[in-house]
Amino acid sequence: DVKVTQSSRYLVKRTGEKVFLECVQDMDHENMFWYRQDPGLGLRLIYFSYDVKMKEKGDIPEGYSVSREKKERFSLILESASTNQTSMYLCASRVTGEDYGYTFGSGTRLTVV
Amino acid sequence: GNSVTQMEGPVTLSEEAFLTINCTYTATGYPSLFWYVQYPGEGLQLLLKATKADDKGSNKGFEATYRKETTSFHLEKGSVQVSDSAVYFCALRLFDQAGTALIFGKGTTLSVSS
Repeated sequence: DVKVTQSSRYLVKRTGEKVFLECVQDMDHENMFWYRQDPGLGLRLIYFSYDVKMKEKGDIPEGYSVSREKKERFSLILESASTNQTSMYLCASRVTGEDYGYTFGSGTRLTVV
Repeated sequence: GNSVTQMEGPVTLSEEAFLTINCTYTATGYPSLFWYVQYPGEGLQLLLKATKADDKGSNKGFEATYRKETTSFHLEKGSVQVSDSAVYFCALRLFDQAGTALIFGKGTTLSVSS
C-alpha cells in the first residue's frame, strides 16, 4: 500500500513563527497536494506539485509557500503563522494516469496561539 | 465554476437503517467522481469511485451511481453499522492530467447509534 506520512499529528506554534509541515510518500508519485480542512468549509486546496521543484497555487495560497526538492517530499511552509491558520492540514499524493484516487496522510492538526 | 454540493449533516441513524447522502456536482466536461470517508482522528480514505456516466462504484456495502442527466453521485448503504460513523466527502476530478486536484464537497457527518 502507498503510504503518505505527515511528520506531526499535533502541533502548537506561536503567532509569527515560521512553521514547516512535512509530507513524505513512498510510492514515487509525481503529484502531491496540500489541503486544509475546516468545519463547515470542507477541504480547500492550498498548493500542489506535479514534479520536483514544480509548484502551483491552489484556491487559498495566501500566507503559505511550499517546497519540493525531492520527489517523495512536499513541505508546506507558513512564513509567519497567524491564528487564522489554525486548522487540520492534509497532504495527498497521486500517480498521473492511474485512477486509484488520491492517497491521504493522517493529517496535522495545527494550533497557532 | 466547478463545484460539489453535499447534503448538510449531521445525519443521525439507528443501526441497520438505510443511508442516503446526496451529492450533486457542477463541472465543465466529464469528471471522475469519488466518495471519501474520514474516520475520527484519521485522514481521508477512498471509499469508491466512478469514472463515466452510469458507472456504479461500490465498496464495503456502499454504492453510488454516476448520473450524468441529474449530475448526481448519491451515496447509499442498505444497512448501516455503528462503525460507519464518520465524515463522508464527495469529490470530483476534471482531468487525468499531472497536477489535477480533487474538488471536494463540504462533507457530511454520519452518526450511527446502536
